[in-house]
Amino acid sequence: RKEVEQDPGPFNVPEGATVAFNCTYSNSASQSFFWYRQDCRKEPKLLMSVYSSGNEDGRFTAQLNRASQYISLLIRDSKLSDSATYLCVVNIEWTPKQKSNDKVIFGPGTSLSVIP
Amino acid sequence: DAGVTQSPTHLIKTRGQHVTLRCSPISGHKSVSWYQQVLGQGPQFIFQYYEKEERGRGNFPDRFSARQFPNYSSELNVNALLLGDSALYLCASSLGQTSGANVLTFGAGSRLTVL
Repeated sequence: RKEVEQDPGPFNVPEGATVAFNCTYSNSASQSFFWYRQDCRKEPKLLMSVYSSGNEDGRFTAQLNRASQYISLLIRDSKLSDSATYLCVVNIEWTPKQKSNDKVIFGPGTSLSVIP
Repeated sequence: DAGVTQSPTHLIKTRGQHVTLRCSPISGHKSVSWYQQVLGQGPQFIFQYYEKEERGRGNFPDRFSARQFPNYSSELNVNALLLGDSALYLCASSLGQTSGANVLTFGAGSRLTVL
């Protein structure tokens, strides 16, 4: 099983639609969570961090369920400019006490195309 | 302010050669991490360095090595190149190791082609 799994996609949605992406992670030691977007042949860029209480940034809402090890991203009122690959990212952080291996794990990404 | 800079942007090597990729983090960022991205997949974690110390390593063979310098810049070295090493190599910098400080800013990447 992959450490981070995402909806396989691609998602093709009309402008104005609401679209939801799902992500699951396997390592319960995971400590911080993010959504990044990556445009074709560009580097990933942070979309938003994900908190247990849920957080919203304009048309974007992210949720984290630690018990189910599940992360979601909701995009409302989709725009053409939202077309990109959305990457779920999980971080296991190094701590002085545990000296655990610091790892940043990306999911395979879900491609979104917003159609006029 | 300059973002994360990587060099070279593109390079072509043959099997068996070695390559050195370079990364300069954002000013004030003390952590650098490296990723390999093959077309159609998400970035795969290779290394993380903080204050010149390796803090994390992904599932890559020993042919891959890295280091971080006192100015926080970093090099990724790959020896005995294989065709499968062809990929986009991304460097990211972040403030450091404390929780919540690991938002990554990526460079544009170095695209390696192995023939």
